[in-house]
Parts: sequence; structure tokens; C-alpha cells
Amino acid sequence: DAKTTQPNSMESNEEEPVHLPCNHSTISGTDYIHWYRQLPSQGPEYVIHGLTSNVNNRMASLAIAEDRKSSTLILHRATLRDAAVYYCSATRTGNQGGKLIFGQGTELSVKP
Amino acid sequence: NAGVTQTPKFRILKIGQSMTLQCTQDMNHNYMYWYRQDPGMGLKLIYYSVGAGITDKGEVPNGYNVSRSTTEDFPLRLELAAPSQTSVYFCASSYAGEELFFGEGSRLTVL
Repeated sequence: DAKTTQPNSMESNEEEPVHLPCNHSTISGTDYIHWYRQLPSQGPEYVIHGLTSNVNNRMASLAIAEDRKSSTLILHRATLRDAAVYYCSATRTGNQGGKLIFGQGTELSVKP
Repeated sequence: NAGVTQTPKFRILKIGQSMTLQCTQDMNHNYMYWYRQDPGMGLKLIYYSVGAGITDKGEVPNGYNVSRSTTEDFPLRLELAAPSQTSVYFCASSYAGEELFFGEGSRLTVL
């Protein structure tokens, strides 16, 4: 499992896009990139994951660099409810995988 | 579906006491996890399991034990509680490690 590095904190304005970076320079070919977030006083929740191609879902988009050494979680229009700590992980899934270790996380604050 | 259920939600222990945090899931997930989160800090993996009868250490396993006798249950045992084990404990499950579903957490204080 690759070590991940994220900025400690970021700020955004409401209704603007947010790009949250994650570095995982030691990622292996079978490691998926996972993103989770934790709202204040709540348990973590899944956001998105991907292997090589960019991924979209109703919550966010995941842009993965061509060399897979970094990725960016994109919130297209930040809302106040998106204020949370966002965690990135690079971990294998399936056989011989599953040991999901989180990085230190980025605390996102959203200003009205 | 109840999802991932953790009990108890709150517990105060005295130093040296033992207890078991219970975790059960009704999604027929193969993978289960225990994390701890100290105040103001991130999540640390304690133990995880990829199926019944299989468990493996995470980042911070010392002072804890787990067992996985059924697919549904993954209890976490604390032996000889210490103040350093004061934390919020989260149980999670997933089918094969791709999307984890977390419980609401168990807040443990050791005095």
C-alpha cells in the first residue's frame, strides 16, 4: 500500500469548484485510489475510487494523473455541507488487498 | 438493511479493565475493519479481516484482539485498558475492499 500525502487544509467559496490533491508516488500497478470524507462528528463516508481512468459519480470526480503518482478529487460546486476532512488512500482491493490505510487528510472549509 | 451496527456507543472503562466492542453487518460483506480515531487526528487501522476465520494486523494492533467466526460479526477486544486507548472506534465493512461502509462509532474513555 502506498503512502499518501495531502495538504493539511484548504479553503473554498460556496458554489465554486474545489480541487483536492493527493500524492501517492509509490503507488503500485494494482493499487486503487480511494477517497473518503468525514463530516464533523460523523463516521467516514465513501466518496469515490478508481484505478487508471478518471471517474465520475454523483458526489465528485476523480482525476488520476497519467503516471498515477497523484490524483485530484474534484467537487464541482462546493456547498456548506461539503465542509469535511477528505482522506485519500492507495490500496489494493480484492484478492491480497483490503488493507485500507488513510493518509492524514485535508480539512476543507467552505465559506458562504 | 441496518448496515454496520456498533455497540456500545459510549463506554467509560477504568485502567486495567477489559471489554469487547461489538460490530455486526447485514450486507453479507466479506471484508471488515476496525479503526480508531484519537481526538483531532485521522483514522488508524487496528485490524481487518477479508473473510470468516481470517484476520490481519493493521497499523496499530497492540493492546487489541479480534476474531471473525462468522461473516456478520467482527468483535474487537481490549485487554487491560490504558488511557492511551481513549478514542473513537469505527467498524467498517465492504464486499472486497472497494467501498467501505462505516458504523456510527463507539466512544471509549479510559480513566
